[in-house]
Amino acid sequence: DQQVKQNSPSLSVQEGRISILNCDYTNSMFDYFLWYKKYPAEGPTFLISISSIKDKNEDGRFTVFLNKSAKHLSLHIVPSQPGDSAVYFCAANPSYGGSQGNLIFGKGTKLSVKP
Amino acid sequence: DTAVSQTPKYLVTQMGNDKSIKCEQNLGHDTMYWYKQDSKKFLKIMFSYNNKELIINETVPNRFSPKSPDKAHLNLHINSLELGDSAVYFCASSQPAGEQFFGPGTRLTVL
Repeated sequence: DQQVKQNSPSLSVQEGRISILNCDYTNSMFDYFLWYKKYPAEGPTFLISISSIKDKNEDGRFTVFLNKSAKHLSLHIVPSQPGDSAVYFCAANPSYGGSQGNLIFGKGTKLSVKP
Repeated sequence: DTAVSQTPKYLVTQMGNDKSIKCEQNLGHDTMYWYKQDSKKFLKIMFSYNNKELIINETVPNRFSPKSPDKAHLNLHINSLELGDSAVYFCASSQPAGEQFFGPGTRLTVL
């Protein structure tokens, strides 16, 4: 029973173009979302986050969009660079009960940016 | 400076053994976590601990126990290891409601 879903296991993009990574969630109680980036043999590193009171958050080449009615968020990377090649995890932070901080992760999308 | 460190990076052991994985953070964070990434690549929370409160994911077998000697350390002890325990284990830390910083992971292989 996946509460956070990343339906595309992989994505290949040309350098300089836009990368769009998608994420869907099922629990309307989630109110904070994060994207993490992971290189092989390393731990995930925080990339960008968004609160449910916003629909967009931008940080340099990275923008996250949130559509609460559709329970969908996406990460846009513009322009994509070869160094962006990694696995991207979407995560939700439940705020209810004692679970705050116990992130619920999607399965990840492997992004390959080709020179 | 390493923010969140784990030892060992690789651990190979036999079924039935007891093993520990150590985690240390030098960020001054109040909360630490253990996650498991299984063969299907799902990254799932096992525990979170903030000095006095331990929150356990109910699906985690009681063979797994976190031990925190102080705020900067949260070690993971695993008793009677099983084949299904083979996975990559990640430690993380954060301030309350802050983003989590992850360690490099420990790849556990149970033979």
